[in-house]
Amino acid sequence: EAQVTQNPRYLITVTGKKLTVTCSQNMNHEYMSWYRQDPGLGLRQIYYSMNVEVTDKGDVPEGYKVSRKEKRNFPLILESPSPNQTSLYFCASSLARTGLSSYNEQFFGPGTRLTVL
Amino acid sequence: DQQVKQNSPSLSVQEGRISILNCDYTNSMFDYFLWYKKYPAEGPTFLISISSIKDKNEDGRFTVFLNKSAKHLSLHIVPSQPGDSAVYFCAAITGTASKLTFGTGTRLQVTL
Repeated sequence: EAQVTQNPRYLITVTGKKLTVTCSQNMNHEYMSWYRQDPGLGLRQIYYSMNVEVTDKGDVPEGYKVSRKEKRNFPLILESPSPNQTSLYFCASSLARTGLSSYNEQFFGPGTRLTVL
Repeated sequence: DQQVKQNSPSLSVQEGRISILNCDYTNSMFDYFLWYKKYPAEGPTFLISISSIKDKNEDGRFTVFLNKSAKHLSLHIVPSQPGDSAVYFCAAITGTASKLTFGTGTRLQVTL
């Protein structure tokens, strides 16, 4: 089954304790992205990756890091989490952009709800 | 600066009637628009899209209308069904960008 998986699905942590949220896709997609969803703000892009070893900042990259060492995985790293990073996080993937309609096939993971105390 | 806005946080519609969800944008460079549907505890799923060269796109019960001069798009669902109850996000992209800009979402509830 084609899917994007995220782990963990739920996480409660404390300020300053480094954490990683994993994201993996089994569709051989080149493009991967991380979003956060907050009430009244919709989904905002954190980072994206066009291919292995190619990453770039989205709208809200501060406090986050990513890596793309292999095509299928795109982990999100919070080196020193703070309470303002409490949010619902989504990973997404799609085929390499060959046109705008490729976004029609952007698949989202189920989400990771993070609480930073 | 919210470039894509959904001014109605929620909408309640009776089953069988039409649901109209609205979305406004400010960036005239956007040239492709999408609607996503999101159920609780799941990620968003693609619903329908429209290119800026069109003013209407239809897929079954779902139709998206684009008014470029007003920088406004809308999603019509006819007839509405209880399974349509979800949060709907509109999103936009420019031809040169590598990211989607999402709206804030509208929660649709279809009642029996």
